[in-house]
Amino acid sequence: AQSVAQPEDQVNVAEGNPLTVKCTYSVSGNPYLFWYVQYPNRGLQFLLKYITGDNLVKGSYGFEAEFNKSQTSFHLKKPSALVSDSALYFCAVRDIRATSGTYKYIFGTGTRLKVLA
Amino acid sequence: EAGVAQSPRYKIIEKRQSVAFWCNPISGHATLYWYQQILGQGPKLLIQFQNNGVVDDSQLPKDRFSAERLKGVDSTLKIQPAKLEDSAVYLCASSHLRQGGNIQYFGAGTRLSVL
Repeated sequence: AQSVAQPEDQVNVAEGNPLTVKCTYSVSGNPYLFWYVQYPNRGLQFLLKYITGDNLVKGSYGFEAEFNKSQTSFHLKKPSALVSDSALYFCAVRDIRATSGTYKYIFGTGTRLKVLA
Repeated sequence: EAGVAQSPRYKIIEKRQSVAFWCNPISGHATLYWYQQILGQGPKLLIQFQNNGVVDDSQLPKDRFSAERLKGVDSTLKIQPAKLEDSAVYLCASSHLRQGGNIQYFGAGTRLSVL
């Protein structure tokens, strides 16, 4: 079965510094990977996805993610963090149901990013 | 384009009471998901609809939870009777079958507290 792991519960970074939020995955076949962000009292918002193509994927709000097949990782990055980036970040993988061919999404446990002024 | 609408935003009930949540997805989105998000955890899929049919309800506790999407548009999730461990945020999401690479769009959620 497909799964994702987010090894860090929280990441602290100073404003203006680069940030990395880690995600590793376990899939059979080609992975479809996603990053979502959740601000307080809000639903999840899509940031970016990897399906195929370039290993560096660019998304919303200046975020990007690097797909690394050999390390089975899909880390989220941003060159210069903002205080407003403080939120909960979720990595997700798309899985396919063998019986119906429909898709479902498996989310990681989340990483809380705190950007310090 | 209007987003996914959910109501109520907050609900406090006592154990063994009943509660219902409503979700209206983005217009034209055939797929609707209900997730349960317990504090400190990622969203867990409870049920997934495609139009008015159930695609997957394998993780829905069917002895107390039910959901419907009768006309293939809006949906209701009910808990009867509620237990303390049902305290969570219930998220509704929708996606278009073909556009957007199966990106899910989430509502703000309903925060349920069971006392």
